[in-house]
Amino acid sequence: GESVGLHLPTLSVQEGDNSIINCAYSNSASDYFIWYKQESGKGPQFIIDIRSNMDKRQGQRVTVLLNKTVKHLSLQIAATQPGDSAVYFCAENAGGFKTIFGAGTRLFVKA
Amino acid sequence: GAVVSQHPSWVICKSGTSVKIECRSLDFQATTMFWYRQFPKQSLMLMATSNEGSKATYEQGVEKDKFLINHASLTLSTLTVTSAHPEDSSFYICSARMTSGRNGRNIQYFGAGTRLSVL
Repeated sequence: GESVGLHLPTLSVQEGDNSIINCAYSNSASDYFIWYKQESGKGPQFIIDIRSNMDKRQGQRVTVLLNKTVKHLSLQIAATQPGDSAVYFCAENAGGFKTIFGAGTRLFVKA
Repeated sequence: GAVVSQHPSWVICKSGTSVKIECRSLDFQATTMFWYRQFPKQSLMLMATSNEGSKATYEQGVEKDKFLINHASLTLSTLTVTSAHPEDSSFYICSARMTSGRNGRNIQYFGAGTRLSVL
C-alpha cells in the first residue's frame, strides 16, 4: 500500500553540526507533508510543514525541502543541539484527512 | 501551538477489564480527532478517525468492538479498550486536527500518550 518511509533509521551528529533527515514517500496524491519530533515517552510534536506547491520552507533552525519529482522530503536542522535528540517522523497527508507516518529516524547528538 | 490533553498518562489493569482514555483539545475545537497506537521503537499506526457527532472510521485490521471510540463534543474524544488483554499493552496516542491559516493547513496536535499495561 501507500507508505512514507525513511532512508536512515539512526543518525548521529556532533553538537553544533547540521543534521539532515531524509524521507521518501510513495503516494503521488499527497499534497501536505509534516515533520514531527517525538521524545521518549511523549507524543509527537509538530516541527514544520510544507504543502506540495512549495519546495522549501524555513522555520527557526529548521528547513524542510520537498522534491516532488523524486518524492523526497528532508528536514535540515541547523546547529544541532543536545535537546534535538529524539525520533523524527515525516508524515504525509492526501486530501486533508488521514496523516500517515513514516518509520522514523532516531537522532543522536554527541556533545 | 495548540494543546491536546490526554488522560491518563499511564494505566495498569487486569486482563478482562476495560480502560477508557480521554483526549481533549484545550484551546480549539476539533471536529476530527485521531487515535494511534505505537509499539516500542516503531512508528505510529493509525487506528481510527474520530468524527464529532458520527461514527468513527476504523483502519483495516482494527476491531471496532474492541476499541470503542466516542466523539461526543468538539473538544473530547474517548477510546475505550474493552476486555483488555496483555497483547493490548501499548502506547496509545490521540491527536486533534486544527485547520488554520489562509492556506487551510491541517495541523494535527498530539496528546502526550497513554501507556497501557495489561497484566
